[in-house]
Amino acid sequence: RKEVEQDPGPFNVPEGATVAFNCTYSNSASQSFFWYRQDCRKEPKLLMSVYSSGNEDGRFTAQLNRASQYISLLIRDSKLSDSATYLCVVMRQAGTALIFGKGTTLSVSS
Amino acid sequence: GAGVSQSPSNKVTEKGKDVELRCDPISGHTALYWYRQSLGQGLEFLIYFQGNSAPDKSGLPSDRFSAERTGGSVSTLTIQRTQQEDSAVYLCASSAMSGAGTEAFFGQGTRLTVV
Repeated sequence: RKEVEQDPGPFNVPEGATVAFNCTYSNSASQSFFWYRQDCRKEPKLLMSVYSSGNEDGRFTAQLNRASQYISLLIRDSKLSDSATYLCVVMRQAGTALIFGKGTTLSVSS
Repeated sequence: GAGVSQSPSNKVTEKGKDVELRCDPISGHTALYWYRQSLGQGLEFLIYFQGNSAPDKSGLPSDRFSAERTGGSVSTLTIQRTQQEDSAVYLCASSAMSGAGTEAFFGQGTRLTVV
């Protein structure tokens, strides 16, 4: 089983839609969780950290379920500029490597 | 301020040759990561350095791959006897510390092509 698993998509949605991505991780000792965004042929950049209580940043909401080892990202009111690959990232244990999922591709159309 | 710098940006090498890829992290960042990304694929973890601790080499795919980090700053990833399947973008990232909420900043990568 892969350490971090994501549905690769692609998710094709119209502008204004709400879309949700899911991610599961296998290592129950994992400590920290993130969503990164990667545009085509660019380097990944941090979108948001994911906290146990869930957190929101504008149109983006992240949730963590430690019992199910499950992370989600919700994007509301999708914009054309949201088109990218979204990478689920897990830190194995405190002070260790970041492990990336393969990413979920989102395409927002007008 | 400078971000993470990688060199060269592109490298074409013949099968069987050795290559060295360089990463200059953001000044003061103690954590440094190397990843490999093949076309259309996710980031494959290779190796992780944190301060003076022994590196986590668990992601290195074979003993042809090695990396070092001198003086806690610059890192070099070496691939010996390159194979065509080594062709990929090699990404380096650094972060100020390791823990919840710490952001890893990536360089623009080195695109390696083995012919």
